Amino acid sequence: SQKIEQNSEALNIQEGKTATLTCNYTNYSPAYLQWYRQDPGRGPVFLLLIRENEKEKRKERLKVTFDTTLKQSLFHITASQPADSATYLCALHASGGSYIPTFGRGTSLIVHP
Amino acid sequence: DGGITQSPKYLFRKEGQNVTLSCEQNLNHDAMYWYRQDPGQGLRLIYYSQIVNDFQKGDIAEGYSVSREKKESFPLTVTSAQKNPTAFYLCASSIAGANEQFFGPGTRLTVL
Repeated sequence: SQKIEQNSEALNIQEGKTATLTCNYTNYSPAYLQWYRQDPGRGPVFLLLIRENEKEKRKERLKVTFDTTLKQSLFHITASQPADSATYLCALHASGGSYIPTFGRGTSLIVHP
Repeated sequence: DGGITQSPKYLFRKEGQNVTLSCEQNLNHDAMYWYRQDPGQGLRLIYYSQIVNDFQKGDIAEGYSVSREKKESFPLTVTSAQKNPTAFYLCASSIAGANEQFFGPGTRLTVL
């Protein structure tokens, strides 16, 4: 069956360090993958999208990689700040034309001052 | 300001009652979605609509109903047939065929 896996354990890091979050998937042929940020009690906010033929995407302090061989996406936040503390969700869009994404459970990031 | 709104923010329901959650957007988006989020769970798709007067079931449509009479509105009714309705409900919209979804602030429904 299709599965998206994000680490259920919270990631704790010190301010200024690089945070790296992982999204693994099985039995998918994703056309593209998105990352969203969700704060407690609020709706997710879109951050980045990366397509299957792209290795890497950057936006300010954010970087996403996509390895279709490893079936994995990595989401990096450089020079992390306490304001980056949130839950980060990955969402996969399967190839075949569907624009309805499937969301992972998310990983909580806690940045300590 | 363009955006997507949901109301109410908190909703309490007695067992056996139907309740309707509101979702409105002024982004001129064709597509709208309803998701349910439970603690420690990903977003699960309830219903979606690509165009006015048309909608499709998602992965967990049982016990829910929707309507799409206007482009900007996509209300969700949680019926008494939904056995475990306590959850955080999120509405989203997007340009038809596009990737990025815009989410509302959510409605937290609690069954008493």
